[in-house]
Amino acid sequence: EDQVTQSPEALRLQEGESSSLNCSYTVSGLRGLFWYRQDPGKGPEFLFTLYSAGEEKEKERLKATLTKKESFLHITAPKPEDSATYLCAAFVGNNRKLIWGLGTSLAVNP
Amino acid sequence: GAGVSQSPSNKVTEKGKDVELRCDPISGHTALYWYRQSLGQGLEFLIYFQGNSAPDKSGLPSDRFSAERTGGSVSTLTIQRTQQEDSAVYLCASSPRTGDYEQYFGPGTRLTVT
Repeated sequence: EDQVTQSPEALRLQEGESSSLNCSYTVSGLRGLFWYRQDPGKGPEFLFTLYSAGEEKEKERLKATLTKKESFLHITAPKPEDSATYLCAAFVGNNRKLIWGLGTSLAVNP
Repeated sequence: GAGVSQSPSNKVTEKGKDVELRCDPISGHTALYWYRQSLGQGLEFLIYFQGNSAPDKSGLPSDRFSAERTGGSVSTLTIQRTQQEDSAVYLCASSPRTGDYEQYFGPGTRLTVT
């Protein structure tokens, strides 16, 4: 069964304290790995798509990487405004829909 | 440009009543998705449209749920005879087309069934 697992469930950082969020997947036929950010009371906001192992993408303080088994979202020198839930999802070609993880709730303290 | 919009933003209804939730996708996006998000649970896929057709309805929880899309644009999700377990946030997303393309989400409709 296709599955996406995110860890940790929750993470609390001090401002400036870098860390990484993990998204591991067991799916047949990964076509793309997506990262989203969700603020309370809002819909998910698209961050990155990764298509092949070894690929990396960056946006401001965020960098996403992909291997054959997992993806990491690295947060460098986070700020309080980076506090949100970060979701990852795998697009599996055969069933043509996203398989979502449960998310990591990130809190960055000033 | 305009993003995905959903209405109403909040809906409180009595058990047994029917509700309609509306989604206006980004102009030109041919793919449209409906999800449900409950507290502590991940996004649950309900249905997607390619144009006005719904190739995959596998996520609809029961026959009380239905959805349609007209003119390749606006979509309506209808829940008949609502139950308390239907309470959740219903999210709509659109994409330039189906496949491994990013989806853009609306703000959601919070449904509370009392």
